[in-house]
Amino acid sequence: GAGVSQSPRYKVAKRGQDVALRCDPISGHVSLFWYQQALGQGPEFLTYFQNEAQLDKSGLPSDRFFAERPEGSVSTLKIQRTQQEDSAVYLCASSLASGVEKLFFGSGTQLSVL
Amino acid sequence: DAKTTQPPSMDCAEGRAANLPCNHSTISGNEYVYWYRQIHSQGPQYIIHGLKNNETNEMASLIITEDRKSSTLILPHATLRDTAVYYCIVRTSYDKVIFGPGTSLSVIP
Repeated sequence: GAGVSQSPRYKVAKRGQDVALRCDPISGHVSLFWYQQALGQGPEFLTYFQNEAQLDKSGLPSDRFFAERPEGSVSTLKIQRTQQEDSAVYLCASSLASGVEKLFFGSGTQLSVL
Repeated sequence: DAKTTQPPSMDCAEGRAANLPCNHSTISGNEYVYWYRQIHSQGPQYIIHGLKNNETNEMASLIITEDRKSSTLILPHATLRDTAVYYCIVRTSYDKVIFGPGTSLSVIP
């Protein structure tokens, strides 16, 4: 596809479960970003990759959150022992390079923790 | 923290120009002004960006004041599909993109 693809589109988890959210960036895009968006709020930065290197993870809210991009393409955001406050939309974005390049966003994964 | 201030909401009549203001009084010389918008249930979409000069593309125009402390995004002929949250973002080429709460624009028939 031509755009950023995220799966699943919706995820319901019981509190304490582990979840994995997938992001397929646009082919050839070097930079990849994860954001968390609570209802009625703007997206909040979580972490940033340049190829397979995770250059910034300052936005990850706790050590239960882990992201990887082992081959510099597909990325996975993993949340361990989910809590109700983790309920949000998780957005992935990619850009051709770092710098002033515009970001292309996926439609997000809506996570609901019950 | 976001470096911009935007009104929380605005209305615009369909077919009229929508002018969305943004204040960025602490902007530095190497920081760009970006605009994104987010339609309900979708990810944000890039609209336009600029450094000093006014910019225009197929979606919108960006007017940046001479002192660069504020800017205006102009949608020349708003349609119902332009109803969205509009985010004004200031960043250098090395910064991550930080979103504020944005302006919720409602285009009214």
